[in-house]
Amino acid sequence: NAGVTQTPKFQVLKTGQSMTLQCAQDMNHNSMYWYRQDPGMGLRLIYYSASEGTTDKGEVPNGYNVSRLNKREFSLRLESAAPSQTSVYFCASIEVWGQGSGETQYFGPGTRLLVL
Amino acid sequence: RKEVEQDPGPFNVPEGATVAFNCTYSNSASQSFFWYRQDCRKEPKLLMSVYSSGNEDGRFTAQLNRASQYISLLIRDSKLSDSATYLCVVTWGGFKTIFGAGTRLFVKA
Repeated sequence: NAGVTQTPKFQVLKTGQSMTLQCAQDMNHNSMYWYRQDPGMGLRLIYYSASEGTTDKGEVPNGYNVSRLNKREFSLRLESAAPSQTSVYFCASIEVWGQGSGETQYFGPGTRLLVL
Repeated sequence: RKEVEQDPGPFNVPEGATVAFNCTYSNSASQSFFWYRQDCRKEPKLLMSVYSSGNEDGRFTAQLNRASQYISLLIRDSKLSDSATYLCVVTWGGFKTIFGAGTRLFVKA
């Protein structure tokens, strides 16, 4: 039971290059999120997927695309990387508590991305 | 005004001290409240949820004040291992989740 895994752990890109960040969870959760974390700004939601086959924009979706191909996997794609996308990216899998009383977000270890 | 605001700190306290963090939120429709802990260069992990009635987990006590729109986290008898960044999290309907920028705590021997 690995929880949430992310690949790669580190990546350096040149401006204009593309890449896909992979995320997988083995907890059978319906909802998954992608965040970016920048100094002094907290985590900001990029995209989320409420269930397999559905995706929606979060707070900062510009420059990103996502794909939820199956229940386990939720990938984030940068089509043309920009220096402003230098950040730490976290994927989260969401355990919803009963009767809407709350949730636990389980995070992957993160991907540190540097765009030159 | 940010939707969720925290004192960034850092808070530097000696072992055994009591330390309190506050977090304010702007959306009165907010439904659920949490504290997460994030160690340096690691992912955030749920520390505890926060209820109006207050809740306690060992040395940690969380409190919610809906009228004033703030939540608090109290750590008693601080340990070296409590050194981390504490993130305030507020959620409301429609997968809306906002993280505060975090408060850094350093506990020194």
